[in-house]
Amino acid sequence: LAKTTQPISMDSYEGQEVNITCSHNNIATNDYITWYQQFPSQGPRFIIQGYKTKVTNEVASLFIPADRKSSTLSLPRVSLSDTAVYYCLVGAAGNQGGKLIFGQGTELSVKP
Amino acid sequence: GAVVSQHPSRVICKSGTSVKIECRSLDFQATTMFWYRQFPKQSLMLMATSNEGSKATYEQGVEKDKFLINHASLTLSTLTVTSAHPEDSSFYICSAGSHGQGRIHEQYFGPGTRLTVT
Repeated sequence: LAKTTQPISMDSYEGQEVNITCSHNNIATNDYITWYQQFPSQGPRFIIQGYKTKVTNEVASLFIPADRKSSTLSLPRVSLSDTAVYYCLVGAAGNQGGKLIFGQGTELSVKP
Repeated sequence: GAVVSQHPSRVICKSGTSVKIECRSLDFQATTMFWYRQFPKQSLMLMATSNEGSKATYEQGVEKDKFLINHASLTLSTLTVTSAHPEDSSFYICSAGSHGQGRIHEQYFGPGTRLTVT
C-alpha cells in the first residue's frame, strides 16, 4: 500500500479556501486517492475520491497531477464547522481486499 | 449514502471482563468489514479485516485471541475485547466496504465506540 505524507496541521480563517496537499510517491497504477474527514469522537466521513485530473463534488475538489504522485484537496470558503482532521488515503478495491491504511492526517483549524 | 451503525456508543467495564461491540451495515450488504482502533490525538490503526463466513485476518501485532471477531451475516460483525485491561481503553471504529463500478472503493465508517476499562 502506498504511503502518504501530509502536513500535520493547518490554520485558516472562515471564508478562505483551504488546500491540503498529500504526497504519495509510490502510488500504484490501480490505486485511487480518497479523502476522509474526521471530527473528534466520530468515525471518518468520506469526502471525495479520484483517479486523475480533477474531481469536484458539492463539498470539495480534488486535484491530481498527471504523475499522480501527489493530490490536493481543496475546500472552498471554509467555515468553523470544517475544523477537523483530514486523511488522504491511497488504495484500490482489488488491493489487499480493499483495506485502507491511515496516515497521520492533517488537523485543520478554522478560526473566526 | 450507506449507513453503518455501532453499538454501544460508549461502554465502561471493569478490568478482566469482556466487552462485545457490534457493527451493522443498515442498508447494504457488507461481505467485508474492518475494525480500527484510535487512541487520543492519533490516527486510526487497522486491527483486522472481517470476512463474512470466514475467519478474520488480523494485522501484525494484534492479538487474535484477545480481540475476537465474528462476521456471521452480511450485515453484522462483532468485536469482543476479552479480559480487558486499562490499556485497551480506546475508540473502536468499524467500517464496511462498498464497491461501485468495479474499481472504485470507498468505506463507510460507523460512529465509533468509546471503551473505558477501569
